[in-house]
Amino acid sequence: RKEVEQDPGPFNVPEGATVAFNCTYSNSASQSFFWYRQDCRKEPKLLMSVYSSGNEDGRFTAQLNRASQYISLLIRDSKLSDSATYLCVGNTGGFKTIFGAGTRLFVKA
Amino acid sequence: DADVTQTPRNRITKTGKRIMLECSQTKGHDRMYWYRQDPGLGLRLIYYSFDVKDINKGEISDGYSVSRQAQAKFSLSLESAIPNQTALYFCATSDPGQPNQPQHFGDGTRLSIL
Repeated sequence: RKEVEQDPGPFNVPEGATVAFNCTYSNSASQSFFWYRQDCRKEPKLLMSVYSSGNEDGRFTAQLNRASQYISLLIRDSKLSDSATYLCVGNTGGFKTIFGAGTRLFVKA
Repeated sequence: DADVTQTPRNRITKTGKRIMLECSQTKGHDRMYWYRQDPGLGLRLIYYSFDVKDINKGEISDGYSVSRQAQAKFSLSLESAIPNQTALYFCATSDPGQPNQPQHFGDGTRLSIL
């Protein structure tokens, strides 16, 4: 079992829709989590850090459920420009950073 | 200018050749990392360095070596390239601290081994 697992998708949604991604992690020692956005053939870019139960930044909300060991990312009012791959990342401290394989999102007009 | 710069951006070479990928950063971060990304597998850690005198293997270090020439520079070498090392390579940096700080990535190097 992978340490960080994501539904690869793709998720195809219309503009304006709300979409949610889930990510599960197996290492209960994981301390902090991040969501990155990656455009095709580009570098991952930090979208949100999730240190406690959750975080909100504009249209994006991340939630952490330590009891069930999952992190979610909610995108409201989807834009065409939100089309990308979203990477879930867990960190147990030190170098131990594990990246999920990513969830692809396509937002269509 | 980019905070984390990788060179070259693209490279095509032949099996058996020695290749060096370079990474430099202006973020002043102590920690630097090298990853490779393959379709469907996500990012996998090759080597990491927490300071100039600290080099550690990641999960897939076989066939690779690194050099931390200065706080700002971290190079990855493939001593004798093989086709299954064809991938997208990323360098990343981070600050130490609690809670754990996110990593910041360079633009990537697309490497093809023929």
